[in-house]
Amino acid sequence: QKEVEQDPGPLSVPEGAIVSLNCTYSNSAFQYFMWYRQYSRKGPELLMYTYSSGNKEDGRFTAQVDKSSKYISLFIRDSQPSDSATYLCAIENNFNKFYFGSGTKLNVKP
Amino acid sequence: DVKVTQSSRYLVKRTGEKVFLECVQDMDHENMFWYRQDPGLGLRLIYFSYDVKMKEKGDIPEGYSVSREKKERFSLILESASTNQTSMYLCASRELADRNTGELFFGEGSRLTVL
Repeated sequence: QKEVEQDPGPLSVPEGAIVSLNCTYSNSAFQYFMWYRQYSRKGPELLMYTYSSGNKEDGRFTAQVDKSSKYISLFIRDSQPSDSATYLCAIENNFNKFYFGSGTKLNVKP
Repeated sequence: DVKVTQSSRYLVKRTGEKVFLECVQDMDHENMFWYRQDPGLGLRLIYFSYDVKMKEKGDIPEGYSVSREKKERFSLILESASTNQTSMYLCASRELADRNTGELFFGEGSRLTVL
C-alpha cells in the first residue's frame, strides 16, 4: 500500500466553481501535511501547509486534514483559469522524508 | 527571491552515456534533494544531502550517484544512462531547521530522454 494515494484526474471545471481535491494516507502517525501546486513545465511550489488536524485557510484556498479517516483535502473557491495546474498532496514523516501523491491535474475553463 | 537553478532543462542522451544534472541554490540551504517525477508515480526520492560531502540514499538510488562538493551545488550523475531513466528530474532544497512550513524549494526540472 502506498503511503499517499491521490486521484490523478484530470478534473475539468468551469470558472467560478468550487474545487475539491483529495488524498488518503496510510499511517495515522503522520503529522505534517502539505499541498504543492505545479504549473506545466515548472517545479512544484508550496501552496498550503497544515500541522496535525483541522482546517487552514488562505484566501480562496482551504486545506483540511481529517486524521480519524486519514483524509486530506484542498478546496479552491471561485476557481480561476490561473488555478489550472497539477496539485500534489504531500506528507512529511521523519524530517526530510516526504511522501508525495501522484498529483491531480486541474483545468479551469473560462 | 529564492532560487533553485537546474542548468539543463531538456537533454537527449543515448543509452550508455554518462549524464550529469547540475543544481545550484542561492539560499544557503543545508539540505538538497533529487527527485524523479513520472506520470502516475508522483515524486520519488533518489538521493538527498544534508551537508557538504554527505549523502543518503532515497527510495530509488539504483543507477544514480550524487556529488556535493560545495554547499550550493548538488549534482546527479547517471553513470550509464538507460531508457528507463527517461524522466523529469527535480532538484529541491530546504533549510535545516525549517519544520514550520514543510517547504521544499524546487527547481524547474530537467527533462531527460534516453534513446
